[in-house]
Amino acid sequence: AQSVTQLDSQVPVFEEAPVELRCNYSSSVSVYLFWYVQYPNQGLQLLLKYLSGSTLVKGINGFEAEFNKSQTSFHLRKPSVHISDTAEYFCAVNSRGTSYGKLTFGQGTILTVHP
Amino acid sequence: NAGVMQNPRHLVRRRGQEARLRCSPMKGHSHVYWYRQLPEEGLKFMVYLQKENIIDESGMPKERFSAEFPKEGPSILRIQQVVRGDSAAYFCASSPESTGYTEAFFGQGTRLTVV
Repeated sequence: AQSVTQLDSQVPVFEEAPVELRCNYSSSVSVYLFWYVQYPNQGLQLLLKYLSGSTLVKGINGFEAEFNKSQTSFHLRKPSVHISDTAEYFCAVNSRGTSYGKLTFGQGTILTVHP
Repeated sequence: NAGVMQNPRHLVRRRGQEARLRCSPMKGHSHVYWYRQLPEEGLKFMVYLQKENIIDESGMPKERFSAEFPKEGPSILRIQQVVRGDSAAYFCASSPESTGYTEAFFGQGTRLTVV
């Protein structure tokens, strides 16, 4: 069984400030890791993913995440946020042994960027 | 290449009625997944289908819910005799046929309200 914990349900920040959204996972097998963003009344859009290789992953819109195997974490970061980054962000995992996309999601973090 | 198309975007049903949610995967994708997002919660996996086959329905409620992905036409998630607790956003995702999985593409969701 797998589980994903997003440690902050809401993160308010000011524009141009850095931000970190925290994600920890639990799994008995190796996993693939994902961050998705959901704008109001929209579907999910993939921000970035970790499959293998370098533990620092760069995604769209200036976001990056670092996979830390020892701490079972995959925190999302952005050095300078914009108003348009206001959205809900979801961390998700998929077991490497699964040949299809049965994702386990965290409960989401609402990022609110204030002017 | 159009994305994953879901319709309707919003659906209102009275208690006891049936709800039918449709999902057309991306062109060339033969794998479809359904997820449910209850208020204040993350997405939960419901079912994984390939053409004419249900592969994994471990997340489907035991009663009233069914899914299909016929040889021709969209995938359908059907909820019979809806209750207030079925009110949620239902998301469909698709991925291409492959021996391994690395990403699913999500539709914009159907928001079901049961009154």
